Amino acid sequence: DQQVKQNSPSLSVQEGRISILNCDYTNSMFDYFLWYKKYPAEGPTFLISISSIKDKNEDGRFTVFLNKSAKHLSLHIVPSQPGDSAVYFCAAKGGTYKYIFGTGTRLKVLA
Amino acid sequence: GAVVSQHPSWVICKSGTSVKIECRSLDFQATTMFWYRQFPKQSLMLMATSNEGSKATYEQGVEKDKFLINHASLTLSTLTVTSAHPEDSSFYICSARDLAGESYEQYFGPGTRLTVT
Repeated sequence: DQQVKQNSPSLSVQEGRISILNCDYTNSMFDYFLWYKKYPAEGPTFLISISSIKDKNEDGRFTVFLNKSAKHLSLHIVPSQPGDSAVYFCAAKGGTYKYIFGTGTRLKVLA
Repeated sequence: GAVVSQHPSWVICKSGTSVKIECRSLDFQATTMFWYRQFPKQSLMLMATSNEGSKATYEQGVEKDKFLINHASLTLSTLTVTSAHPEDSSFYICSARDLAGESYEQYFGPGTRLTVT
């Protein structure tokens, strides 16, 4: 049973445009959410996080939105750059410091 | 700061042998480290939570006798894959939480590619 889902396995965006990556979850007890970026054969690197008491968090080009009623979060990257091409995972904190990862979305930013 | 290393970065072993993977937090202390496994084009699956000075907590479906975890110090956790079989071939990633950190962020190692022949 996949508690955290990323329904789009891949996404292509033109350089300079906005990339929107989506994530849905089923467990209303999740209280903290994170986005990680991952290159092949490397460990994930942290991008941005959001607590369930907030609905938006912004850090430079990255903004995460949380809709608790819909159990949905999204990551916006604007403007998108070719270096942003990677696999993006959302993760939910499902217990003390324990993460549940989504299935990932491969983002390709076209120059 | 907040660097996590893994050793080796890749290993090839024969079926039936055991392989040890090390995870170190280089510039911070971590009472809790996590071990994940990733199959090609799939998500990171949490295998176990490693606690310094106590037994690891394994996720459902993970054989604790096959995947031995030891967390002997605040900067080192090891995962030993015992009697490895080809189906154990995978990408193993560890993460650590900063003991002094206030956030829930985990810092990930670069991963270890295990191939069992």
